[in-house]
Amino acid sequence: GENVEQHPSTLSVQEGDSAVIKCTYSDSASNYFPWYKQELGKRPQLIIDIRSNVGEKKDQRIAVTLNKTAKHFSLHITETQPEDSAVYFCAASRGGSYIPTFGRGTSLIVHP
Amino acid sequence: EADIYQTPRYLVIGTGKKITLECSQTMGHDKMYWYQQDPGMELHLIHYSYGVNSTEKGDLSSESTVSRIRTEHFPLTLESARPSHTSQYLCASRGQNSYNEQFFGPGTRLTVL
Repeated sequence: GENVEQHPSTLSVQEGDSAVIKCTYSDSASNYFPWYKQELGKRPQLIIDIRSNVGEKKDQRIAVTLNKTAKHFSLHITETQPEDSAVYFCAASRGGSYIPTFGRGTSLIVHP
Repeated sequence: EADIYQTPRYLVIGTGKKITLECSQTMGHDKMYWYQQDPGMELHLIHYSYGVNSTEKGDLSSESTVSRIRTEHFPLTLESARPSHTSQYLCASRGQNSYNEQFFGPGTRLTVL
């Protein structure tokens, strides 16, 4: 089955800095890669996703890049703000499968 | 408003009690899921359903059971709660397209004394 590794487990940055979270996956057939943000005490919510036919996707301060050859994808957050502090989960799934495999999560702390 | 709902939000019970955690969604989704998560930690899939009368066990061994008699309703039952069941339980649903995002409920925080 699919295996998703996520690094780092904790990331501490100063407000205004950039943050990068990386995930690797094992199943070359995986073709959908969502990222979820979970603020303290709240439910996970999708912030951005990418399909395997695209190498990069951007939405304001967040972007996701995908390298299918190396089987890794990354979340980039620029100009971080304290409200970006949360746990971020990456996931991977293949078309036709409705069971995503999640990474273990990254706790991002943005210091004012 | 289309959403996914869980009740109760918090539950404190004694060992050996039978409990049912409720999950309902008004999004018209056929795929539904239960995850167990310690606060801020890894998401563990314990059950999922592709539709009415379809239920499967997930990756995490669980002593719970689920049922799916109606599309919108996916309750999880613990026949005999133990302290090791103390955790947060998140319900989720997803639409027909395999590229659709999962929508999560607000969670039930369970404490077994």
